[in-house]
Amino acid sequence: AQSVTQLDSHVSVSEGTPVLLRCNYSSSYSPSLFWYVQHPNKGLQLLLKYTSAATLVKGINGFEAEFKKSETSFHLTKPSAHMSDAAEYFCVVSANSASKIIFGSGTRLSIRP
Amino acid sequence: KAGVTQTPRYLIKTRGQQVTLSCSPISGHRSVSWYQQTPGQGLQFLFEYFSETQRNKGNFPGRFSGRQFSNSRSEMNVSTLELGDSALYLCASSDRGANYGYTFGSGTRLTVV
Repeated sequence: AQSVTQLDSHVSVSEGTPVLLRCNYSSSYSPSLFWYVQHPNKGLQLLLKYTSAATLVKGINGFEAEFKKSETSFHLTKPSAHMSDAAEYFCVVSANSASKIIFGSGTRLSIRP
Repeated sequence: KAGVTQTPRYLIKTRGQQVTLSCSPISGHRSVSWYQQTPGQGLQFLFEYFSETQRNKGNFPGRFSGRQFSNSRSEMNVSTLELGDSALYLCASSDRGANYGYTFGSGTRLTVV
């Protein structure tokens, strides 16, 4: 069975400092992994996806994530936080179906001025 | 390219009533999925339609139903509304399925009173 765990429900960083949002997954086969972002009162936007090509995946707005099979992790990082990055972030793993994916519980990112 | 359009954006209904939500996917996308988002349960998968056929279904009661039309537009219906159905309902579309990444709409905020 597939599952995904976001290790922090809330992360707070200062503007201009690095961001790290942690995600561990469990999958019985080679998964597809995604990060989505949700700004207040908005739908979700795809940040980046891993689909068994390069293990370091670059996404939009300066975000990137590294797939580490040995650690079953897919952490999201950004070198320098911006106020506009404040949002909820969801790590997602594909289930054993083309149409079903599993969302993590979300990490709320706050940015301090 | 127009995004995923959900109507209405906000809805207030009374317990026992029924409601229909609408979703227009990105042109050319044949896969449409529906999710329920609540603070307590997070994002939960309702169902997915692909070329007018329900391809996958989540663990929701039969009061929740959906359909997809030949132009890929989708509707979701909830009958005999309960207070617990209050949520943000998100529609997502993809050209092939969830494993390839979704584009989400802004959602319909349903409040049941």
